[in-house]
Amino acid sequence: DAMVIQNPRYQVTQFGKPVTLSCSQTLNHNVMYWYQQKSSQAPKLLFHYYDKDFNNEADTPDNFQSRRPNTSFCFLDIRSPGLGDAAMYLCATSSEESGTGFNEQFFGPGTRLTVL
Amino acid sequence: AQSVSQHNHHVILSEAASLELGCNYSYGGTVNLFWYVQYPGQHLQLLLKYFSGDPLVKGIKGFEAEFIKSKFSFNLRKPSVQWSDTAEYFCAVNGGTYKYIFGTGTRLKVLA
Repeated sequence: DAMVIQNPRYQVTQFGKPVTLSCSQTLNHNVMYWYQQKSSQAPKLLFHYYDKDFNNEADTPDNFQSRRPNTSFCFLDIRSPGLGDAAMYLCATSSEESGTGFNEQFFGPGTRLTVL
Repeated sequence: AQSVSQHNHHVILSEAASLELGCNYSYGGTVNLFWYVQYPGQHLQLLLKYFSGDPLVKGIKGFEAEFIKSKFSFNLRKPSVQWSDTAEYFCAVNGGTYKYIFGTGTRLKVLA
C-alpha cells in the first residue's frame, strides 16, 4: 500500500541536543509538509516543500530546519531542542490536481518527541 | 484571518446515538473542505471531502457532511455511532492552495 512512513515513532532527546526526524512516502506526491501538534491543539504547519522548493511559515522558529534530498524523503532537523518543542511531529503529503487544486493530505503516524 | 472553528471539544455519546460535530470556517473565496479522523494510536486519515457539486458528501464508515455556504459550515454527521468511532475528529479547509487550515479537533468518546 502507498503510504507515508515516519521514523522513529518515539524520539527522546536532551535539551539542546540536535535531533532529526525522517519521513518517506511511496505516493510520489510533489508536496511534503511538516506539522507540529501539541496536545488538544490543531496541527501547526512548520513548512512544506513543493518539489524542491522550500517554503517556511513566517512563525516557524529558526531552530527548525528541513531537507528534502529527493521526492520520497523529507527530514526535520531541530537544531537545539527546547522543552517547548516536545510535541507530535506529523509528516504529510499532497498533490496538486488540475481543476481542484490541492487534494487531500496523507499523513504519517507521527513522531512523538520528548525533550529531557 | 483564515480560521476553522470546531465548537465541541469533547463529546460523549452512547452507542446508537446520533452524532453531529460542528465546523465553521472563515476563508475568503472558494474552499475545499475536509474531515479527518485520528483513531487512538493511529495516523490522521481522511473521512470525507468536499470540492464542489452536491453539498451533501458521504464518506467512509457511514459518515456524511453538509456544506452550507451561507453559514460557512461543514458539519459532520452520523446517524448511529459505534464504540469503534471513538477518536479525534479534525475539520480542515484549503482554498485550492498548498495551505490547509485545521480546527482544534473534537474528541469523541462512544460508550458501549
